[in-house]
Amino acid sequence: KQEVTQIPAALSVPEGENLVLNCSFTDSAIYNLQWFRQDPGKGLTSLLLIQSSQREQTSGRLNASLDKSSGRSTLYIAASQPGDSATYLCAVRNDYKLSFGAGTTVTVRA
Amino acid sequence: DVKVTQSSRYLVKRTGEKVFLECVQDMDHENMFWYRQDPGLGLRLIYFSYDVKMKEKGDIPEGYSVSREKKERFSLILESASTNQTSMYLCASSSWASGNIQYFGAGTRLSVL
Repeated sequence: KQEVTQIPAALSVPEGENLVLNCSFTDSAIYNLQWFRQDPGKGLTSLLLIQSSQREQTSGRLNASLDKSSGRSTLYIAASQPGDSATYLCAVRNDYKLSFGAGTTVTVRA
Repeated sequence: DVKVTQSSRYLVKRTGEKVFLECVQDMDHENMFWYRQDPGLGLRLIYFSYDVKMKEKGDIPEGYSVSREKKERFSLILESASTNQTSMYLCASSSWASGNIQYFGAGTRLSVL
């Protein structure tokens, strides 16, 4: 059974600092890995999807890397802003199913 | 834009009631999913469906059933609600043709008293 771990569970940084969020998974036979953002009491918004054949994916200030063989992904957010405060979840896909980590809650202090 | 709509944002029910949670998507996606989200546990898959009238158990199906009579609608049913089913419920849909990215609804926060 796929297990996904996100460390740390919470992170607080001053505005302007770069964020580094980590995700690890136990079964490397994945189709893809997805990073989501969730605001309090809301649903999930997809940020980036990395296919298993890719090493990284970028969108604006966000960059996600994938090392499938070691079962790790990292989400980098450059020059953080208060609006980046949210919970970030990673999820890996095997077959139809996504397996989620518990998330990292980020607070960016103005 | 893909829209996944969950019929209620908040629900309060009593123990033993039958509860229906409805989800509708407007992008003709063949795959639909129901998750529950609890603090510290992340999202856990309850059931999914890859076609009309088809369903597959996820990781935690006990105490739940689902119905998919039309492609755009996927219902989650709690036959006899219990307090341990108090949770946030999230519906999602995806399509093989668009890379299987899952699109989520806003969620339904269910409280069972």
